[in-house]
Amino acid sequence: QQQVKQSPQSLIVQKGGISIINCAYENTAFDYFPWYQQFPGKGPALLIAIRPDVSEKKEGRFTISFNKSAKQFSLHIMDSQPGDSATYFCAAKGSGGSNYKLTFGKGTLLTVNP
Amino acid sequence: NAGVTQTPKFRILKIGQSMTLQCTQDMNHNYMYWYRQDPGMGLKLIYYSVGAGITDKGEVPNGYNVSRSTTEDFPLRLELAAPSQTSVYFCASSSQGPIYEQYFGPGTRLTVT
Repeated sequence: QQQVKQSPQSLIVQKGGISIINCAYENTAFDYFPWYQQFPGKGPALLIAIRPDVSEKKEGRFTISFNKSAKQFSLHIMDSQPGDSATYFCAAKGSGGSNYKLTFGKGTLLTVNP
Repeated sequence: NAGVTQTPKFRILKIGQSMTLQCTQDMNHNYMYWYRQDPGMGLKLIYYSVGAGITDKGEVPNGYNVSRSTTEDFPLRLELAAPSQTSVYFCASSSQGPIYEQYFGPGTRLTVT
């Protein structure tokens, strides 16, 4: 049972373009939605995160858009750079004070061509 | 702070052998996790711990065991290794909040042949 569905599986973008990665979830009890970035040979690292009480969060060139009614959220990378080439994972955390587990999407391999 | 450290970085096991993957964090985090990452499959939670002496199963616990005797250490034990356990293993840790972030180690690449 895949609770967080991520698309596309891979994405190729030209330098300066916009990269968009989408995720959809099923569990309405999720209360925290992070995106992780992973470079080859490294562990994932938190990139940006959002809670469901806001519809958008921006940090530099990275923006999360959140649609609670559609149970979807997306990552937008503006002015994409070759250094952004990595695998991106969306995730969701269950609510409740004792639930700190993340459910991850399958990942998107982003390649930004120079 | 070193963050989350994992040893070894690479290991080749023969079918039926056993080994322990080590994980240590120096951030005084209560929560620790073990994931496996297979190509195109994302990160699957194997086991997690909410504090010393407390562990629980994740999504794919079969073939693995864990223990948590200290806040810092969370070793993962593979008994009777099988080819299906060929994967990259990541350990992570997080605090109780209010800012929730999982910090990942560099990973252990395990091959079972």
